[in-house]
Amino acid sequence: AQSVTQLDSQVPVFEEAPVELRCNYSSSVSVYLFWYVQYPNQGLQLLLKYLSGSTLVKGINGFEAEFNKSQTSFHLRKPSVHISDTAEYFCAVSFSGGYQKVTFGTGTKLQVIP
Amino acid sequence: DTAVSQTPKYLVTQMGNDKSIKCEQNLGHDTMYWYKQDSKKFLKIMFSYNNKELIINETVPNRFSPKSPDKAHLNLHINSLELGDSAVYFCASSRRETEAFFGQGTRLTVV
Repeated sequence: AQSVTQLDSQVPVFEEAPVELRCNYSSSVSVYLFWYVQYPNQGLQLLLKYLSGSTLVKGINGFEAEFNKSQTSFHLRKPSVHISDTAEYFCAVSFSGGYQKVTFGTGTKLQVIP
Repeated sequence: DTAVSQTPKYLVTQMGNDKSIKCEQNLGHDTMYWYKQDSKKFLKIMFSYNNKELIINETVPNRFSPKSPDKAHLNLHINSLELGDSAVYFCASSRRETEAFFGQGTRLTVV
């Protein structure tokens, strides 16, 4: 069975500092990986996705993530955060083949400190 | 031109009542989902439909009954509401093996 682990429930970071949000997954088959962002009282918005190809994936709002198959990780990074990046971030995984079931991690609250 | 829209956005009701949440997508996707997000922000899949056929039912109480009249709609009916049903319910849709697009959520409060 597939699963996703986000070890950090909260990550405080100063404005303009870099940030990395960690995500590890477990799956016995090939996976697709996603990062979503949820702003307060809103739905989930896709930040970026890895389906195949280049392991470094660039997304919206200056975020990027790297798929590391050997470490089963898909960490999200941004070189310089803004106040507006304060939100909940979810890593998600689905497996290739068959019908899609997207499994979410428990989320990481990114708090950008002015 | 909202991609995935669900109504209502807020729903406050008493225990024991029956309520429905509607979802529509205009993206031409084959697969639609219902997710439940609890107060700790945990997102759990409840149901998934592909071409109007139920393909995932994740041990949800049978008080919850999804209905998909066509590929673009997936409604959620809840009978005999309980306090523990209070949560935010998200509808989503996707094409096979791609990302899911989410609605804005329905915040259900049972009092």
